[in-house]
Amino acid sequence: NAGVTQTPKFQVLKTGQSMTLQCAQDMNHNSMYWYRQDPGMGLRLIYYSASEGTTDKGEVPNGYNVSRLNKREFSLRLESAAPSQTSVYFCASSRVDRTNQPQHFGDGTRLSIL
Amino acid sequence: QKEVEQNSGPLSVPEGAIASLNCTYSDRGSQSFFWYRQYSGKSPELIMFIYSNGDKEDGRFTAQLNKASQYVSLLIRDSQPSDSATYLCAVNMDDDMRFGAGTRLTVKP
Repeated sequence: NAGVTQTPKFQVLKTGQSMTLQCAQDMNHNSMYWYRQDPGMGLRLIYYSASEGTTDKGEVPNGYNVSRLNKREFSLRLESAAPSQTSVYFCASSRVDRTNQPQHFGDGTRLSIL
Repeated sequence: QKEVEQNSGPLSVPEGAIASLNCTYSDRGSQSFFWYRQYSGKSPELIMFIYSNGDKEDGRFTAQLNKASQYVSLLIRDSQPSDSATYLCAVNMDDDMRFGAGTRLTVKP
């Protein structure tokens, strides 16, 4: 069972470069999320998609955009990377509404911005 | 302010002991509570969830919820070295899910 698959696993970018983080889930979940995790700060929600065709901002959306391509796929784009975006990024999914359903996480993308 | 607070640790217990991890939250209306385990360099993995006041047991793990005092705890009985990880508490708040920064647990053989 693949669950939630993220690519790439590691990436180094220069300031100002752009890139897209990919996420796909095979659990037929409706809701998908992007988080960043920084030391001492826990997981912070960047964007989420409650269902196919909808996206909403989370706690820390500035500098990011997302696309819910279909029910399975949810991508995160950094248009102009900044050193403050150095972090570990996790994609997650849940069956339905995010607030009372457990979320299943991908393995993460470790992103460094130089 | 939506907050979920956890002692960052490290919490160190000997093998075979009971490890007690605590979490407090700011929103009195919260209804859903989750515990995740995260090994170093890995992704969070769901251990348990609890919705009602009281205890919920699953194997060596027990989640305890006290909504009046706004805390949720996780007990790990017969702790094993393989339980050494960071434990994240997650709480729903309005239309949001907030995660604590985690408590690092070390189980010493």
